[in-house]
Amino acid sequence: EAGVAQSPRYKIIEKRQSVAFWCNPISGHATLYWYQQILGQGPKLLIQFQNNGVVDDSQLPKDRFSAERLKGVDSTLKIQPAKLEDSAVYLCASRSLNTEAFFGQGTRLTVV
Amino acid sequence: EDQVTQSPEALRLQEGESSSLNCSYTVSGLRGLFWYRQDPGKGPEFLFTLYSAGEEKEKERLKATLTKKESFLHITAPKPEDSATYLCAVHTNAGKSTFGDGTTLTVKP
Repeated sequence: EAGVAQSPRYKIIEKRQSVAFWCNPISGHATLYWYQQILGQGPKLLIQFQNNGVVDDSQLPKDRFSAERLKGVDSTLKIQPAKLEDSAVYLCASRSLNTEAFFGQGTRLTVV
Repeated sequence: EDQVTQSPEALRLQEGESSSLNCSYTVSGLRGLFWYRQDPGKGPEFLFTLYSAGEEKEKERLKATLTKKESFLHITAPKPEDSATYLCAVHTNAGKSTFGDGTTLTVKP
């Protein structure tokens, strides 16, 4: 079974630039999560989708972050404009109703 | 507000030296508590799910237990390949998930 695919693996941008991350979840998984993991900390939930609807985006900084999940499959997370404190690993995870969450390898973002 | 606290932050063991990691939680309506292992540069990898106080799960050298306030991950006779960061996460009846900051385990040969 293919796992959760994320791209790119690494990204370096200057502050105030924009960046987008892509996630392809495991086939058939209705729930998709985006997490931000700052070095030395646990993952922090940014947004949770159920199919193509948003379940929880309470911790998403909506002035600069946006996410979409068109057709309830792939998802993109965008940051515009980026700040230095956005440097982190962005993890995508997916799950079905009766399974645990499966994580991708993440995208490491460095904002300089 | 849901809270998850893991201790210790870091743990160094000699190969074969058993120990336990702690995950204390305060949530309104626990649906499940999850343990994950995370290796450097990778996403978390699922280990266990515990649903109710008194439940225990085992896998190789790892055993997870759950009470109403905390969970323990017991590591018996660890090997160097058990070195990783261990994360716990709580999922609530409201559908929210919260991770702790993890315990980084180093096992020396």
